[in-house]
Amino acid sequence: GPKVLQIPSHQIIDMGQMVTLNCDPVSNHLYFYWYKQILGQQMEFLVNFYNGKVMEKSKLFKDQFSVERPDGSYFTLKIQPTALEDSAVYFCASSLTGNTGQLYFGEGSKLTVL
Amino acid sequence: QQQVRQSPQSLTVWEGETAILNCSYEDSTFDYFPWYHQFPGESPALLIAIRPVSNKKEDGRFTIFFNKREKKFSLHIADSQPGDSATYFCAARAGQGTGSKLSFGKGAKLTVSP
Repeated sequence: GPKVLQIPSHQIIDMGQMVTLNCDPVSNHLYFYWYKQILGQQMEFLVNFYNGKVMEKSKLFKDQFSVERPDGSYFTLKIQPTALEDSAVYFCASSLTGNTGQLYFGEGSKLTVL
Repeated sequence: QQQVRQSPQSLTVWEGETAILNCSYEDSTFDYFPWYHQFPGESPALLIAIRPVSNKKEDGRFTIFFNKREKKFSLHIADSQPGDSATYFCAARAGQGTGSKLSFGKGAKLTVSP
């Protein structure tokens, strides 16, 4: 089936550094998402993105977070600066339309902040 | 506040039995209820979904039962197979048009013993 690719699969960085998580969504999809999952907890919505703009974000999407998809390349989540509580698995997802509910997820990027 | 509650957190059944996973929700504006499953090392994938106009949705061995009045829905896996062993997440969708924002339960780890 359709695949969402995430790079890197795992990254370890020191607190205060910047990190960029990359997502290659399904090729014809128009809506993009980031979810955060702390070990043992549920996935939580961070942000969705459509037509070059953030459509909705949760309170977990702190000011240090930003997303973009320049010129149809990777959909990225940047955290600058990182904090210890940012350690989690970040899942990217995409969907063709905004109301089907069928999200296709990547395998996640595990971020460890030391 | 957790918007979607899931139980049990883990479940073990014998091969051939029916596994039942339960979820409840608070927000009456939720309009779409998918179940995702996730195998170790893989991305979450849509298994089956239901909209509140129906109280039952079947797809092969998988059935969702939906009770709008009680704000509950459950996934029944008939004739469980060892290959069904995975983590199952229920979810509920809020919002239309701006993208499919899903609220997830914490997940239930299902083990099917041969």
